[in-house]
Amino acid sequence: NAGVMQNPRHLVRRRGQEARLRCSPMKGHSHVYWYRQLPEEGLKFMVYLQKENIIDESGMPKERFSAEFPKEGPSILRIQQVVRGDSAAYFCASSPFSAPSSYNEQFFGPGTRLTVL
Amino acid sequence: DAKTTQPNSMESNEEEPVHLPCNHSTISGTDYIHWYRQLPSQGPEYVIHGLTSNVNNRMASLAIAEDRKSSTLILHRATLRDAAVYYCILRSRGRNFNKFYFGSGTKLNVKP
Repeated sequence: NAGVMQNPRHLVRRRGQEARLRCSPMKGHSHVYWYRQLPEEGLKFMVYLQKENIIDESGMPKERFSAEFPKEGPSILRIQQVVRGDSAAYFCASSPFSAPSSYNEQFFGPGTRLTVL
Repeated sequence: DAKTTQPNSMESNEEEPVHLPCNHSTISGTDYIHWYRQLPSQGPEYVIHGLTSNVNNRMASLAIAEDRKSSTLILHRATLRDAAVYYCILRSRGRNFNKFYFGSGTKLNVKP
């Protein structure tokens, strides 16, 4: 059973370009979470999605960032007009359900490391 | 959201036990205590969780203080592969249950 997959693993963009980060959740998981990690810091929650719905985007910057999780295909985190401050590791996690059960763990992918030149 | 406090770093010798502390003095009665770890260049992985009672699994043990204001993750025999950043996370029942709040964590260095 493959784990959470993210691609690309490394992405280099110039200022002003767009970055698209993809996340395929574990099989059977319908909930996806995106986190951002700046160097030497812990992960910061960005957004929580179910299929075709954004449940909580309270951690998303107000501009340039968007996320989707279509009915078919991976979840996409899109960053428009990237700036140097967007350089970070972006992690995706998935879970099978959202009910507050103590067994509802989040399984993390290996991350995409975005570098903005 | 309840916060956690962990030492920035700890060091251990291989094959010896390691006790990683976490303070969470503002924990509420329904908050779960979770531990995740992040190996270098990888995403976090689940280690263990508990509510009130001490817990054991194949990776570690979790000792929870009687007043729940602190907890300790115990690695019984540290190996070089255990070198990672360990995060203590409180999960509150309710609308924020699925938003993990990672602090700075404790960076564990294991010496051979």
